[in-house]
Amino acid sequence: NAGVTQTPKFQVLKTGQSMTLQCAQDMNHNSMYWYRQDPGMGLRLIYYSASEGTTDKGEVPNGYNVSRLNKREFSLRLESAAPSQTSVYFCASSEVWGQAYQPQHFGDGTRLSIL
Amino acid sequence: QQPVQSPQAVILREGEDAVINCSSSKALYSVHWYRQKHGEAPVFLMILLKGGEQKGHEKISASFNEKKQQSSLYLTASQLSYSGTYFCGTVIQGAQKLVFGQGTRLTINP
Repeated sequence: NAGVTQTPKFQVLKTGQSMTLQCAQDMNHNSMYWYRQDPGMGLRLIYYSASEGTTDKGEVPNGYNVSRLNKREFSLRLESAAPSQTSVYFCASSEVWGQAYQPQHFGDGTRLSIL
Repeated sequence: QQPVQSPQAVILREGEDAVINCSSSKALYSVHWYRQKHGEAPVFLMILLKGGEQKGHEKISASFNEKKQQSSLYLTASQLSYSGTYFCGTVIQGAQKLVFGQGTRLTINP
């Protein structure tokens, strides 16, 4: 079982370049999430999608856009990369019923460096 | 609204016990615990719902004190495989977002 698949695993960009991080899940989950992880900061939510066709901002959405392409796929786009966006990015998926969050399943992460 | 974890880091010898705490300033609906090994993705451990329940997972258990708005993760007779960073995530009552703490780094030495 693949679970949550993220591509690419590593990427180096120059300031001002754009790129899209891809995420796909095969668990038929309704909800999907994008987090960034920086040393000492934990996991911070960038954007999430509660269901196909909906997206909402998380704690740190500035500089990012997302697309929920279908139930399986949720992409994260950096339009004009900045060094402050150097981080490890994780995609996750789960079921959520109201406040009842079920376990989140994480991808292996994308290590992104902005020079 | 980020929960606060303590301690930030702990170093133990194999076989010793550890307690990791997670506190919130708001009333909680649920607390979630995850473990992340270096260079890997976070992995789910357990969820605790309001009601003061306690759960166990091998030699790892947790409690949720709804009145104190805090949860504690207990690791007994720690093994080398328990090393990693532990994150708590909280869902505040009335909210619909899961927010993670900053993590507690646990190092188990032989």
